[in-house]
Amino acid sequence: DTGVSQNPRHKITKRGQNVTFRCDPISEHNRLYWYRQTLGQGPEFLTYFQNEAQLEKSRLLSDRFSAERPKGSFSTLEIQRTEQGDSAMYLCASSLPGRTREQYFGPGTRLTVT
Amino acid sequence: SQKIEQNSEALNIQEGKTATLTCNYTNYSPAYLQWYRQDPGRGPVFLLLIRENEKEKRKERLKVTFDTTLKQSLFHITASQPADSATYLCALGWSGGYNKLIFGAGTRLAVHP
Repeated sequence: DTGVSQNPRHKITKRGQNVTFRCDPISEHNRLYWYRQTLGQGPEFLTYFQNEAQLEKSRLLSDRFSAERPKGSFSTLEIQRTEQGDSAMYLCASSLPGRTREQYFGPGTRLTVT
Repeated sequence: SQKIEQNSEALNIQEGKTATLTCNYTNYSPAYLQWYRQDPGRGPVFLLLIRENEKEKRKERLKVTFDTTLKQSLFHITASQPADSATYLCALGWSGGYNKLIFGAGTRLAVHP
C-alpha cells in the first residue's frame, strides 16, 4: 500500500510528557498537512509544508507544538508538555501541486493524555 | 462569524433510497468545495470536488451541487447501500493558497437494509 502512513497509531501519555508523531506522505506529493480532529468534529488545520518549508501555521498550533519536514519527505509533529486538551486524533494528509486539490489522508494517530 | 454547518443529527435511510446531505456556510467565499467520507477510526477519503463556477458534478452514484448565492452544497447518494454508511464531511478551499481546507463537523449517514 503506497498511501499516507502515520506512526504510532495510538499513543497514551501522561500529562506533562512530550510526544512525537511521524507521517510518511505519498512519495511524489510535495505538499503535506497536519490536522487535529476531536470527537464529533471535522479535522482542524494545524500546519502546512511545501517540500521542507513550513508555509502556514494555525493559531491552534501553540508554542508547545512544533512540526518539521527536514528533507521534504516524512514529517514529525511534536507536542511538548502535553495537556489533557491535546487528546485528539492527529491526521496527516498529502497532495500534489497544481489543480489537483484532493488531499490524501493517513489513518491518524490517536493521542490520549491522562 | 465564519461557520460551516452540516446536518448535526444522523441521517437514517432505507437501502435503495437517495441520501441527501447539506453543507451550508456563512462568511466564507470558497473557490471550491470538497466532500470526503470518513469511517470510524480512519482518515477521511476524498470523494468529489466542485468549483465555484460549477453547478453540479457527478461520479457514479454520487452527485454534488454548489450554489454560491445560497452558500450551500448538496451531496446526493443515489441507490444507497449499507456500505455507504459513514460520516460525510464537506470542506471549503481557496485558490492561490496552500490548499488548506476548512471542514464541517460532518453528517453521519446510516443506510438500513
